[in-house]
Amino acid sequence: GNSVTQMEGPVTLSEEAFLTINCTYTATGYPSLFWYVQYPGEGLQLLLKATKADDKGSNKGFEATYRKETTSFHLEKGSVQVSDSAVYFCALFIWNSGNTPLVFGKGTRLSVIA
Amino acid sequence: EAQVTQNPRYLITVTGKKLTVTCSQNMNHEYMSWYRQDPGLGLRQIYYSMNVEVTDKGDVPEGYKVSRKEKRNFPLILESPSPNQTSLYFCASSPLTGGAFYEQYFGPGTRLTVT
Repeated sequence: GNSVTQMEGPVTLSEEAFLTINCTYTATGYPSLFWYVQYPGEGLQLLLKATKADDKGSNKGFEATYRKETTSFHLEKGSVQVSDSAVYFCALFIWNSGNTPLVFGKGTRLSVIA
Repeated sequence: EAQVTQNPRYLITVTGKKLTVTCSQNMNHEYMSWYRQDPGLGLRQIYYSMNVEVTDKGDVPEGYKVSRKEKRNFPLILESPSPNQTSLYFCASSPLTGGAFYEQYFGPGTRLTVT
């Protein structure tokens, strides 16, 4: 079946540090890829997305590029802020017979300290 | 305001007492789904629905039921709750445009404790 693997957390960074959260996927076919963010006490919200190979999704200073050759969609931000502290989920969507269409990774908790 | 609402937000109940968690969206979305979130396990899909009267099992459907009689509502039913269903539950909806999937809108979550 389809699956998403993302780096284990928690990740703790100082403010203004560079962030990378790795995400790789396994899927039959060509999925759409997403990053969702969950702030404390809230539901998930879409951070960015990419629907085909080499697409770059970006939002709020975060970026991720759909790499078909490495089946990856790593999340990056050049300079994190305390307000970026949250749990980040990588996800894929694809219609496959017999498989759940939307699959999430287990989430990576990011803590940014001032 | 476009939103997904869930009720109740918090619920403590006892083993075996049937309960329903409601979910409603006001965006006319075709796709709706239920997830549970557990520490170390991330988000796992329970059931999903692509439209009225169309529901499918997700990865962890055992012990749950759903129905989709109206487009806006997608209740989650626990006929006989057990302690292993203690979890944080999220409902979500999304439009399906030409079969393509773009973004899921999540509700605020329901924290369920079964004793």
